[in-house]
Amino acid sequence: EVQLVESGGGLVQPGRSLRLSCAASGFTFDDYAMHWVRQPPGKGLEWVSGISWNSGNRGYADSVKGRFTISRDNAKNSLYLQMNSLRPEDTALYYCAKDKRGGNIGSPTFDYWGQGTLVTVSS
Amino acid sequence: DIQMTQSPSSLSASVGDRVTITCRASQSISRYLNWYQQKPGKAPKLLIYAASSLQSGVPSRFSGSGSGTDFTLTINSLQPEDFATYYCQQSYSTLFAFGPGTKVDFK
Repeated sequence: EVQLVESGGGLVQPGRSLRLSCAASGFTFDDYAMHWVRQPPGKGLEWVSGISWNSGNRGYADSVKGRFTISRDNAKNSLYLQMNSLRPEDTALYYCAKDKRGGNIGSPTFDYWGQGTLVTVSS
Repeated sequence: DIQMTQSPSSLSASVGDRVTITCRASQSISRYLNWYQQKPGKAPKLLIYAASSLQSGVPSRFSGSGSGTDFTLTINSLQPEDFATYYCQQSYSTLFAFGPGTKVDFK
């Protein structure tokens, strides 16, 4: 059974940093691209970032480019999101999602999602 | 950037109804269009990928169609567990935008 478990969320002041983690199990992690998708409270979904199977290709939404860094450790079956210079508008539930299509991030289809970890940016 | 719109933003329906949700892209995305269902407090669930392919385990009352800029999600014979919010998502180009969602609630 595929499982994705996010952690690392919490309350943080504007301008500070936070690192999210996603522990994956139940599939061959290094066969698939992985993504972060966020959802502000009561609002819709926004793709944040994606990383290819071998970390060779990474993509970011314009809203987080230059502030967030996605990474993965295939030996640990783990995905990460380093979030710097956080802003109140980054407040959201952050989901880790597996790409159905394979190892590249070019045309993502999110077939498995974690339960999300809540990030609140407020003073 | 490709923008996605959905209509209606919400609808009220009864069990057994046929429900149709429309998604439109601001430019052609071929068939790079996915549909998700989200229930309150839960993660989204993939229903349809590549415009019309049914994800494994999803009931056959769900179907998708369209190509280019206009797409449709149809639910035949709405069931109680189908009351949820539905999102489309383009996977054609970077930013991979989602539509704003369509909430289906009980009439």
